[in-house]
Amino acid sequence: AQSVTQLDSHVSVSEGTPVLLRCNYSSSYSPSLFWYVQHPNKGLQLLLKYTSAATLVKGINGFEAEFKKSETSFHLTKPSAHMSDAAEYFCALSFWGYQKVTFGTGTKLQVIP
Amino acid sequence: DADVTQTPRNRITKTGKRIMLECSQTKGHDRMYWYRQDPGLGLRLIYYSFDVKDINKGEISDGYSVSRQAQAKFSLSLESAIPNQTALYFCATSDSRQGPNTEAFFGQGTRLTVV
Repeated sequence: AQSVTQLDSHVSVSEGTPVLLRCNYSSSYSPSLFWYVQHPNKGLQLLLKYTSAATLVKGINGFEAEFKKSETSFHLTKPSAHMSDAAEYFCALSFWGYQKVTFGTGTKLQVIP
Repeated sequence: DADVTQTPRNRITKTGKRIMLECSQTKGHDRMYWYRQDPGLGLRLIYYSFDVKDINKGEISDGYSVSRQAQAKFSLSLESAIPNQTALYFCATSDSRQGPNTEAFFGQGTRLTVV
């Protein structure tokens, strides 16, 4: 069985400070991992994905994530939060041969001016 | 135009009514999915289809049915709507030809309220 756990339902940061959104996964196989962002009243947009080519993945809008197999983690980071980063973020997982994406429960990021 | 289009975007319906949510895509993807999103629960898979002749139940299929009319169209039906089906519904697609690293592409969502 595969699963994704987002460790924080809400994260609040001040504008200009670093962002850390945590995601742990469980998978019997080598997974593909994704981070999606959902702005209010919008659909989900892909931020970045882990392709197994490199453990540090860079995405759009300055976000990046590091795949750590030993820790079964795929945390999302950004050096400096911007007001436009306020949204809900979802970590997701799929694996070879069965490409059904499993989502975490989401983390709402609040950015304080 | 959006690659994955959901109609309607918003719908209010009464308990017991039948309602259909429609999804069409221009991405040429073979795989399509229906998810519902509830606060604090994230996205949960209702049904998925790996091609026109392949329909599979997801984790929360009770009370729902689907139809894959063509590769580009995947409809979700609530045969007799109930209030706890009030949620935000998303259609998504993916392309099996892209291998294991393919992501899902989402529509804008349908906000359904059952009163």
